[in-house]
Amino acid sequence: EAQVTQNPRYLITVTGKKLTVTCSQNMNHEYMSWYRQDPGLGLRQIYYSMNVEVTDKGDVPEGYKVSRKEKRNFPLILESPSPNQTSLYFCASRAAGPRGEQFFGPGTRLTVL
Amino acid sequence: DQQVKQNSPSLSVQEGRISILNCDYTNSMFDYFLWYKKYPAEGPTFLISISSIKDKNEDGRFTVFLNKSAKHLSLHIVPSQPGDSAVYFCAASAINQGGKLIFGQGTELSVKP
Repeated sequence: EAQVTQNPRYLITVTGKKLTVTCSQNMNHEYMSWYRQDPGLGLRQIYYSMNVEVTDKGDVPEGYKVSRKEKRNFPLILESPSPNQTSLYFCASRAAGPRGEQFFGPGTRLTVL
Repeated sequence: DQQVKQNSPSLSVQEGRISILNCDYTNSMFDYFLWYKKYPAEGPTFLISISSIKDKNEDGRFTVFLNKSAKHLSLHIVPSQPGDSAVYFCAASAINQGGKLIFGQGTELSVKP
């Protein structure tokens, strides 16, 4: 089954404790993204990657890091989480080209106390 | 600067009637528009799209209309069913921006039996 998986699905942590949210896709997609969803703001892109070892900032990159060492994986790293990073996070992937359908993971609900 | 706006946070419709969800955009370079549907505890899933060279695209009960001069698109669901109750996100992209999707804030549709 073609899918994007994220782990963990739910996470409660404290300010300053480094965490990683993993993302993996099995569709051999070149393009992967991370979004956060906040009430009244919709989905905003954090970082994206056009291919292995190619990453770039989205619209709200502050406080986040990513890496793309393998095509299927695109982890999101919060080096020092803060309460304003409490949000619902989605990983997504699509094939190369500007019109490829984007597939989303199930989401990670993060709470930073 | 919200380039894609969904001004109605919620919409309630009776089963069997038409649901109309609206979306406005400001960037005249957008040339491809999509609607995504999101159920609770799941990631968004692609619903329907339209290219800027068209003004209408239909897929079963779902029709998207594009008015380029007004920079407005709408999603019509006829007839509405209780299973259509979800959050609907409008998104837009420009080919000269690599197909990056810009999302609206979302509209929560509730279809009552």
